Amino acid sequence: NAGVTQTPKFRILKIGQSMTLQCTQDMNHNYMYWYRQDPGMGLKLIYYSVGAGITDKGEVPNGYNVSRSTTEDFPLRLELAAPSQTSVYFCASSYFAGALEETQYFGPGTRLLVL
Amino acid sequence: QQQVKQSPQSLIVQKGGISIINCAYENTAFDYFPWYQQFPGKGPALLIAIRPDVSEKKEGRFTISFNKSAKQFSLHIMDSQPGDSATYFCAASMASGSRLTFGEGTQLTVNP
Repeated sequence: NAGVTQTPKFRILKIGQSMTLQCTQDMNHNYMYWYRQDPGMGLKLIYYSVGAGITDKGEVPNGYNVSRSTTEDFPLRLELAAPSQTSVYFCASSYFAGALEETQYFGPGTRLLVL
Repeated sequence: QQQVKQSPQSLIVQKGGISIINCAYENTAFDYFPWYQQFPGKGPALLIAIRPDVSEKKEGRFTISFNKSAKQFSLHIMDSQPGDSATYFCAASMASGSRLTFGEGTQLTVNP
């Protein structure tokens, strides 16, 4: 049981390039999330998904896109990389069945540098 | 109104001391308040959580104190150890959904 895995661990992009951050979970969780973490800013929600085929915007969605074709995978797409997207990106998943105290399980993160 | 404000941004404590991190919120619809712990190079992990129907929850050396009228909650780490050195995030969510709103984080350093 690997939990939440993310690839790559680190990537350098040039301004205007595109890339996909991969996220996979093997816990059969229905909810998945993408966050970005910047120093002193906490974790900001980019997009989330409540199940395969269903996604919704979070707090900071501009410049990103997501899809959720399977329960396990939730890739995050950056189309035109900008220096403001330099950050550490975390994917998380949880099993939400109406109970309030659901735990989010985080992946190890992807560090992205846009130059 | 969705914000959760956390303080201090950084905290240095001697081994054996008490670490205290505070959070405040505005949205009275928040109904679940977890704390996440993050070690360098790792993703956050759930440490302890509380519902507003209790004023305190203790798990080992970690205690959450909750003040509903003041809309504040805090994490107390008793007998702090160097292994507790990490970044701590408070968070809150509403009963109607599972989206968490995180505080800004507190970087705790426990000196030996």
